[in-house]
Amino acid sequence: DAGVIQSPRHEVTEMGQEVTLRCKPISGHDYLFWYRQTMMRGLELLIYFNNNVPIDDSGMPEDRFSAKMPNASFSTLKIQPSEPRDSAVYFCASSLGKSSYNEQFFGPGTRLTVL
Amino acid sequence: LAKTTQPISMDSYEGQEVNITCSHNNIATNDYITWYQQFPSQGPRFIIQGYKTKVTNEVASLFIPADRKSSTLSLPRVSLSDTAVYYCLVGPGKSSGDKLTFGTGTRLAVRP
Repeated sequence: DAGVIQSPRHEVTEMGQEVTLRCKPISGHDYLFWYRQTMMRGLELLIYFNNNVPIDDSGMPEDRFSAKMPNASFSTLKIQPSEPRDSAVYFCASSLGKSSYNEQFFGPGTRLTVL
Repeated sequence: LAKTTQPISMDSYEGQEVNITCSHNNIATNDYITWYQQFPSQGPRFIIQGYKTKVTNEVASLFIPADRKSSTLSLPRVSLSDTAVYYCLVGPGKSSGDKLTFGTGTRLAVRP
């Protein structure tokens, strides 16, 4: 298996533009997580899905952020409009099961820079 | 949600054994203790997990005392490639809706 795949790996955009990050989880995994990592705040859970259904989006910072999972093999995280403070590394992870004893497999991340 | 406390950074030399201790005083009965490793420019990677006593795999050992209020990740004979951030997580079993929370982690620097 290729592991969790994220695209793009790097994204540079200007303030106000729409940004879409993509994730392909490991085949067969039923949980998908979106995280954001910054120096100031560390690694934060934004939202997670179970069987393509959003379960907890309380970590989503504001309405400018939205996430979808139209099928078991694809998820998107969209920021519209983007702001400089959204600059961070965004990770997608998947697991078979959600609880802490189910290993989460992380993708390589997307480094987002908003100018 | 159980909170964890671990040192911000540690230094070591190649070939030494490194022990990173994590405190989790309010750990719940059904919580597991899990450690992840993160290299620069990569996502975190699962290292080891345990509930009590000692767990060992090909990468590390995890020591958990009887009261489970702390745990120690032990890396035997570290090399330069073990330079990374190590996260201690305490989280629920299947019955809970709590999230996994990554703290600030311990930044380990291994020197030649």
